[in-house]
Amino acid sequence: QSLLTQPPSVSGVPGQRVTISCSGSDSNVGSSAVNWYQHVPGKSPKLLIIYDDVLPSDVSDRFSGSKSGTSAALAISGLQSEDEAEYYCASWDDSLYGYVFGTGTKVTVL
Amino acid sequence: QLQLHESGPGRVKPSGSLSLSCTVSGGSMNSGRYYWGWVRQPPGKGLEWIGSIISDGVNSLFNPSLKSRVTISVDTAKNQFYLTLRSVSAADTAVYYCGKTVTGTLGDGFDLWGQGTVVTVSS
Repeated sequence: QSLLTQPPSVSGVPGQRVTISCSGSDSNVGSSAVNWYQHVPGKSPKLLIIYDDVLPSDVSDRFSGSKSGTSAALAISGLQSEDEAEYYCASWDDSLYGYVFGTGTKVTVL
Repeated sequence: QLQLHESGPGRVKPSGSLSLSCTVSGGSMNSGRYYWGWVRQPPGKGLEWIGSIISDGVNSLFNPSLKSRVTISVDTAKNQFYLTLRSVSAADTAVYYCGKTVTGTLGDGFDLWGQGTVVTVSS
């Protein structure tokens, strides 16, 4: 049972902006950096966001991250069909003393 | 450009041990201080961090739910690191990924991943 809770699914039409939430606690999101990953079935996960809101150089600026207190969010603007994937937040947890992934959110482009 | 590649048996018998290797190519594991680790995804479920080891092998961290059954080791001379999971059951059936962290802090995330290897626990 993950310590980071995400909505099971989010959908949108091409060009729309969608947001995925990640709810944690003081021992993880509230005190450590949040990462976001994109996972396309059959492929390896891809790191989208580090340090809550920093994009690695190979990630499109259509993706953005934010955090407030014990909640974080990933926004995808200008939604494209290629964005269909599972998205996971992740963070270090001081209580678990380990790295935890969120429950995952499936993004569907209608 | 660093690349990771997992290898190991695709099938393991219940109560046996699962052993996987991850080979690092395109550079040396000693090129920087990173955590090298393992993540899995059971069928129909999400990603689960298994454990990680720092480049020099002096520090390793494990998922508490798996810690009693897991060993992770590193051989920088061979540019490889390894996972052993003991007393496996059907619940350990998953795609297993190896990965490298962005920095020497595990919480900074994994920026490099292997392609994944399917392991099925079945008699």
